[in-house]
Amino acid sequence: AQKVTQAQTEISVVEKEDVTLDCVYETRDTTYYLFWYKQPPSGELVFLIRRNSFDEQNEISGRYSWNFQKSTSSFNFTITASQVVDSAVYFCALRYAGANNLFFGTGTRLTVIP
Amino acid sequence: KAGVTQTPRYLIKTRGQQVTLSCSPISGHRSVSWYQQTPGQGLQFLFEYFSETQRNKGNFPGRFSGRQFSNSRSEMNVSTLELGDSALYLCASSGGGASSYNEQFFGPGTRLTVL
Repeated sequence: AQKVTQAQTEISVVEKEDVTLDCVYETRDTTYYLFWYKQPPSGELVFLIRRNSFDEQNEISGRYSWNFQKSTSSFNFTITASQVVDSAVYFCALRYAGANNLFFGTGTRLTVIP
Repeated sequence: KAGVTQTPRYLIKTRGQQVTLSCSPISGHRSVSWYQQTPGQGLQFLFEYFSETQRNKGNFPGRFSGRQFSNSRSEMNVSTLELGDSALYLCASSGGGASSYNEQFFGPGTRLTVL
């Protein structure tokens, strides 16, 4: 069975601090896809990144970076120099090959204090 | 390109009633998935439609049903509403083809309140 764990329920940081959101997953599949989504107060889930199980290369996009480690089944997300606009709930999700549905973690609510 | 649209955005119903929610995917997308989001259960997959056929289904009772039209627009229906059906219902669209790179793009959701 697929399972995604986001142990951090809520995190508060002061603006300009760096923050890392943790994601640990479980799957028996060898091919799978990991995602991060952002959910601002408006409710819409905004796609941030997809990572394939066969590609462990880390990625940086502006202030965002992702660290994928198959050895520890983790796919962590770091925001550098956080801003108030980063305040949202962040979801990690897993999809296995052959299906389109996402298995979501419980989310981490990030609050950036000005 | 216009994003995923969902109507209505807010809905209030009473127990026992039924409700229909609508979702229009991104132009050219053929797959529409529905998710339920509640504080207690989080985000859970309801079902996926592709080319007017249900392709995948989550673990929800038969009161939850859906359909997809030839223009890829999808509707979700919940019959005999229960208090526990109060939730944010999110629709997601994707290309839906054989490619593994099918990011799902979400709409703003319909917030359903059952009284």
